[in-house]
Amino acid sequence: EIVLTQSPGTLSLSPGERATLSCRASQSVSSNSLAWYQQKPGQAPRLLMYGASSRATGIPDRFSGSGSGTDFTLTISRLEPEDFAVYYCQQYGSSPETFGPGTKVDIK
Amino acid sequence: EVQVVESGGGLVQPGRSLRLSCTASGFKFGDYAMSWVRQAPGKGLEWVGFIRSKAYGGTTEYAASVKGRFTISRDESKSIAYLQMNSLKTEDTAVYYCTRGMDGYTGYDDFWGQGTLVTVSS
Repeated sequence: EIVLTQSPGTLSLSPGERATLSCRASQSVSSNSLAWYQQKPGQAPRLLMYGASSRATGIPDRFSGSGSGTDFTLTISRLEPEDFAVYYCQQYGSSPETFGPGTKVDIK
Repeated sequence: EVQVVESGGGLVQPGRSLRLSCTASGFKFGDYAMSWVRQAPGKGLEWVGFIRSKAYGGTTEYAASVKGRFTISRDESKSIAYLQMNSLKTEDTAVYYCTRGMDGYTGYDDFWGQGTLVTVSS
């Protein structure tokens, strides 16, 4: 099983700042099959990125993803008020699929 | 509009069974894998399992924590995916989300339902 580790656990930033979230895998993720999700309180998760760097439909271009192998990054170029949430990475390249523990981005 | 709607959650005693349903609309159900993901109160996301499309044999895969107790199935005529949960444990308490896979085989989860809460308690 591929174990995903996300850092930091919590990121305290102000609107307009840049957010950099890390997701590290215990072994190489097949075909860069890495997705990112955003979850707000009381809501279902929403797909942001897939294939490590492709934005899902309707996701603004301030969100970007990068990385390969075992190290992946989600970057939010300029935080908007609606971006404060919990972010999860997921690998879907090998079974069992696994999620990281999440990074909470909160308002400083 | 793509939609997946879960139903069937509730309070159940340890050791009992419960079946969740996921009703899909707005897309060709038969072309996609369907998955279940759960989230215990205040915790992160946990993949439960998925069922592939008939084109990929309708095969299933499960997390180790539920293998042998949970079964995922699908009814193409009704566009419904099911999660049959047997021998429930208190640690199965969670919101259960139904999701659509990126294609018929597997992949990321591009549409999510709002979830249904399952509480396992005596």
